[in-house]
Amino acid sequence: DGGITQSPKYLFRKEGQNVTLSCEQNLNHDAMYWYRQDPGQGLRLIYYSQIVNDFQKGDIAEGYSVSREKKESFPLTVTSAQKNPTAFYLCASSPGTGLLYEQYFGPGTRLTVT
Amino acid sequence: GNSVTQMEGPVTLSEEAFLTINCTYTATGYPSLFWYVQYPGEGLQLLLKATKADDKGSNKGFEATYRKETTSFHLEKGSVQVSDSAVYFCALSNQAGTALIFGKGTTLSVSS
Repeated sequence: DGGITQSPKYLFRKEGQNVTLSCEQNLNHDAMYWYRQDPGQGLRLIYYSQIVNDFQKGDIAEGYSVSREKKESFPLTVTSAQKNPTAFYLCASSPGTGLLYEQYFGPGTRLTVT
Repeated sequence: GNSVTQMEGPVTLSEEAFLTINCTYTATGYPSLFWYVQYPGEGLQLLLKATKADDKGSNKGFEATYRKETTSFHLEKGSVQVSDSAVYFCALSNQAGTALIFGKGTTLSVSS
């Protein structure tokens, strides 16, 4: 089955530690995205990538970093510079970028930092 | 800038009731519009979409019509089921098509 996998489902870290969230897709999609979801809020875009070895900042990129070394993988690192890292993180992909493409979402990773 | 406004929830209905969740938007150009659904603890699933004015998206009994004159994309279903209980998000694409802008979501709770 084609889809997007995110691991782990739950992640716990101590304050001051960097942590990397995994996102893999086997849909052969060119574009990938990372969103953050907070309780009672919509999703906010952290980073997106339209093609391998290229990525762009979204609305709330501060304290986060990404890489896109392979088409199917788009890991997100939450650094110690992110002031409020506890949230639900969702990865998505789409065949390309443009108005006609919908995004397909993974199951999410819930990160708790204490 | 682009933004999406959804009706506040929670919306509580009995099984077989009619559902409307209001969504209005502000955007430059002609965005595509989407409804996504999120079940507890899961990611988002695309429910339906519309890419131009007067288009009607439909799926699983849900419908929404892209109304440019009222900048709205209201979600409707004629008869809800308990299994429809979830959070519903209205979203639009930015002008470049590189991101989705989401509303805050509306929680629907259906009881039998």
